[in-house]
Amino acid sequence: KNEVEQSPQNLTAQEGEFITINCSYSVGISALHWLQQHPGGGIVSLFMLSSGKKKHGRLIATINIQEKHSSLHITASHPRDSAVYICAVSPGGGADGLTFGKGTHLIIQP
Amino acid sequence: DGGITQSPKYLFRKEGQNVTLSCEQNLNHDAMYWYRQDPGQGLRLIYYSQIVNDFQKGDIAEGYSVSREKKESFPLTVTSAQKNPTAFYLCASRQGTGWDQPQHFGDGTRLSIL
Repeated sequence: KNEVEQSPQNLTAQEGEFITINCSYSVGISALHWLQQHPGGGIVSLFMLSSGKKKHGRLIATINIQEKHSSLHITASHPRDSAVYICAVSPGGGADGLTFGKGTHLIIQP
Repeated sequence: DGGITQSPKYLFRKEGQNVTLSCEQNLNHDAMYWYRQDPGQGLRLIYYSQIVNDFQKGDIAEGYSVSREKKESFPLTVTSAQKNPTAFYLCASRQGTGWDQPQHFGDGTRLSIL
């Protein structure tokens, strides 16, 4: 069973700072997902990646398959970025369902 | 707009009662999933279904049951056998079953057992 670890668990930063959230996993995967959960509980998918790097607006996600590690970066952070960011992995080998990290609670102060 | 609808948003039940959480999607997605979220823990997979009339147990299926009679609907029943049912429940779906399709999530149902 895959173990997904995220760090840090909690992060408070000032508006404008560059944010990095890390995710590592223990077993080979088919894809890695970065998700955003707002206080109401709903979850939005930010990225799904299996190699390299993806960028969407101020968000950048990278993955290193050999090291089993991914990072989510937020440039020019803003208070509206405050949320829980969750890393999840899709298993390989025909299995289904995601395995999730515990999440990183990010607060951006004005 | 297409999406996943979970209802109700908040649900209260007395201990010992079965309760059914609704999940409906109009995305024409093949696969549907139920996850449970507890404070301080990652989401965990309860059940999933890749096709109508078929479903598979996830990591924490004990005390839960599901059905998939229609493609758009995947209700979850929390039975009295579930020892600690108070939690946040999320339903998800995706197109096909290949690894390259992202999951779409509903807004969740928060279940409290009184």
